[in-house]
Amino acid sequence: GQNIDQPTEMTATEGAIVQINCTYQTSGFNGLFWYQQHAGEAPTFLSYNVLDGLEEKGRFSSFLSRSKGYSYLLLKELQMKDSASYLCAALAGGSYIPTFGRGTSLIVHP
Amino acid sequence: DARVTQTPRHKVTEMGQEVTMRCQPILGHNTVFWYRQTMMQGLELLAYFRNRAPLDDSGMPKDRFSAEMPDATLATLKIQPSEPRDSAVYFCASATGLAQTGELFFGEGSRLTVL
Repeated sequence: GQNIDQPTEMTATEGAIVQINCTYQTSGFNGLFWYQQHAGEAPTFLSYNVLDGLEEKGRFSSFLSRSKGYSYLLLKELQMKDSASYLCAALAGGSYIPTFGRGTSLIVHP
Repeated sequence: DARVTQTPRHKVTEMGQEVTMRCQPILGHNTVFWYRQTMMQGLELLAYFRNRAPLDDSGMPKDRFSAEMPDATLATLKIQPSEPRDSAVYFCASATGLAQTGELFFGEGSRLTVL
């Protein structure tokens, strides 16, 4: 089966850095996604890691360790608009079905 | 501007009624997913189509739910009869080359309330 774990809620201050962790267990593994979802809206794609290491995209970076079943999303220079739910999802091998975690609700305060 | 289109955006119905949700995937996308999102469970997979063929509907309650793709431009999710526990936001998402790009394109969702 598939199991994705991430913290339920995090808070951070505007301008700071926050790291959202995700651990996964899947039968087969192809890659790890991160999505952002603002309240009342659809999830939107942030990043996709297939190989180990850090991928940087502007203020957002995503890291993957396949051997540890671990990923994190790093958000720098936090802005109020970054307050949202961040969803970690693993793409299972063979079936290519994304399995989502329950999401981490990030609250950015002034 | 290519996007996934879902209808209806909001639906309030009474228990026992039939509900049909529709999705138009992005043109050229060969993979379509239906997910249900609740506060308690997060995003749960209901159905998965590739090239219009249903590949996985193990997450769907078969006694009342059905999903079809009558053609490449339309995916449907039907609930009959609906129950209050079906109240959720239902998302359709489409993709092409998912294993390479990792990008799922979600529709705006259909918010269903069953009274």
